[in-house]
Amino acid sequence: DAGVTQSPTHLIKTRGQQVTLRCSPKSGHDTVSWYQQALGQGPQFIFQYYEEEERQRGNFPDRFSGHQFPNYSSELNVNALLLGDSALYLCASSFVDRVAYEQYFGPGTRLTVT
Amino acid sequence: RKEVEQDPGPFNVPEGATVAFNCTYSNSASQSFFWYRQDCRKEPKLLMSVYSSGNEDGRFTAQLNRASQYISLLIRDSKLSDSATYLCVVSLQGGKLIFGQGTELSVKP
Repeated sequence: DAGVTQSPTHLIKTRGQQVTLRCSPKSGHDTVSWYQQALGQGPQFIFQYYEEEERQRGNFPDRFSGHQFPNYSSELNVNALLLGDSALYLCASSFVDRVAYEQYFGPGTRLTVT
Repeated sequence: RKEVEQDPGPFNVPEGATVAFNCTYSNSASQSFFWYRQDCRKEPKLLMSVYSSGNEDGRFTAQLNRASQYISLLIRDSKLSDSATYLCVVSLQGGKLIFGQGTELSVKP
């Protein structure tokens, strides 16, 4: 049973560019949440997707957007990259009725903005 | 004020020591409570859920005091393999996880 997978593993981008990160949830899971973890900090909630809709959103600007596909996989898009967007981006999946009780994290995508 | 606050680290302890981590949260509507472990440059992994009645898993004991909005984790007989960052986490309605900043533990021989 495959766990949560994310791609790419690492990414280097230049300020002002756009980036797309991808996440495949654990088999059977229908809900995907995205988190940003800056160095030395705990992860911060970006948003959550269920049934291809953004269900909840954290305190992130509109430059951060996402999408969920019919197969439950998800993308995180960040436009107009800033140096401060350099972080580990984590995806977590769950069943919608268990989302408050258990979420499984993928290995993350490490984004460096230069 | 941060929504979830943990003891600042790092904690440096010898093998076999007992170590306690403390955490407070500010949102009284918090629904579920967890301790996650994160190894260097890896994803967070669930260590244990925390219940008001307290719960134990081997060398690990977690406690929750809803009235004080306080969560704790006790690790007995520390092993070298316990070295990691420990994250205190609360879940709000709908599964939005709020993480503390983490407390680093280093267990030395």
